[in-house]
This record gives sequence, structure tokens and C-alpha cells, in this order.
Amino acid sequence: ETGVTQSPTHLIKTRGQQVTLRCSSQSGHNTVSWYQQALGQGPQFIFQYYREEENGRGNFPPRFSGLQFPNYSSELNVNALELDDSALYLCASSDSRFQGANSGANVLTFGAGSRLTVL
Amino acid sequence: DQQVKQNSPSLSVQEGRISILNCDYTNSMFDYFLWYKKYPAEGPTFLISISSIKDKNEDGRFTVFLNKSAKHLSLHIVPSQPGDSAVYFCAAPVGYSTLTFGKGTMLLVSP
Repeated sequence: ETGVTQSPTHLIKTRGQQVTLRCSSQSGHNTVSWYQQALGQGPQFIFQYYREEENGRGNFPPRFSGLQFPNYSSELNVNALELDDSALYLCASSDSRFQGANSGANVLTFGAGSRLTVL
Repeated sequence: DQQVKQNSPSLSVQEGRISILNCDYTNSMFDYFLWYKKYPAEGPTFLISISSIKDKNEDGRFTVFLNKSAKHLSLHIVPSQPGDSAVYFCAAPVGYSTLTFGKGTMLLVSP
């Protein structure tokens, strides 16, 4: 069983540029979520994709966008990068077959993250 | 506004002793809590969870206690080992497969 893989692991961009981060979900997982972890903070929910559609969004502006592909892999795109976008971006996958709040549906499997530095 | 709060940024413990990591929450509707552990250069990994119908859940050296009236939970690690040194996050579901996290507590277990 393969875990969640993310690429690239590190990247440096300048303000105003655009970035695309990629994620392959764990085998058998059909739901992908993206989180931003700024320095000294916990992961913050950006959005979630299920069946190739956005299925929930946190408090992030529209310049954060995403895609999910038929093989459940996903991309996170950030346009017009700002200095505050510097963070670790984590992808997490889960399996929608587990339903209910008190179930494995809430156990996310995370990738190692993509560390973005905006100069 | 943070719904899950971890007020201790760091904790140092000697090997073999007990580590107690604390977490407070503000939303009384939360009915499930999870702890994740994160090593540098790795993603968070699920450690242990607890449902609000319980006040204790144990898994080997790890035990989570839930005090609903105080909106407080704690993770106990006994005995602590150097390999337990990591950042520990407390989290609660805010939607299907969507979690809100605390800021984390960095645990350092010294030999």
C-alpha cells in the first residue's frame, strides 16, 4: 500500500508568481484535502476534493485553487504569490467509504509536504 | 479564532518519565478528537483518537483522557522514549474528513 506522495518537496518563488503543487493519494483513498502549515502553527484547511469537485473550502482566497483527477491525484495552484504564502503545504487523503463523525473518515493520511518559500 | 488550543509550545521530559500534552477546545459540539505526531521533514501521522462517549482511550504507551465538562483533553505517554520527540497536534473534525488543528506542542525526550 503506497502512502501519500507530494512534489516538489521544496521550491522557491518570488512575489506575484504562480505555483503548482502535486499530490498522489494513498491507494484506495478517493478524497484529497490540502492544508497550509505556517511556521509555528498547526495545519490549516484549504479545501477538499471528492469525485473531481471541490467539496469544502476553508478561509482562503480564490487565488488558491485546485484540481482532482480521475485517479484521485490532485493539484494545488496558487496565483499571485504573496510573502505570507510561505509555508509547508500538506496533502491528505481519506476514504469516503467510512462514514460518520466517530469513524475512520476523520483519520487523514498526510504526505510529507511541499515547502514553499516566497521571496 | 482557534477552536482547538494547545497552550504549551514545548515540553521537555526525561526518558522513562511521563509526558503529558494538553489540549483545550471551545466548541462543545465536538464529539471526536484525534492526536497526530509530526517528525521534521515528514507529514503528520495519526496517533490515537477518542470519542466523546468515552473519557479514556488507551493504545500501548499512549493514553488520551477527555474531560467534557472542562472541554479539555490530554495525551499521556508512559514511559517516554527519545523516539517520541516530535511535534504533537490535537485535532477535531469540523466536517467530513476535515480537521481543525491546534498549534502543536514540541516534545523533547532526553536520554
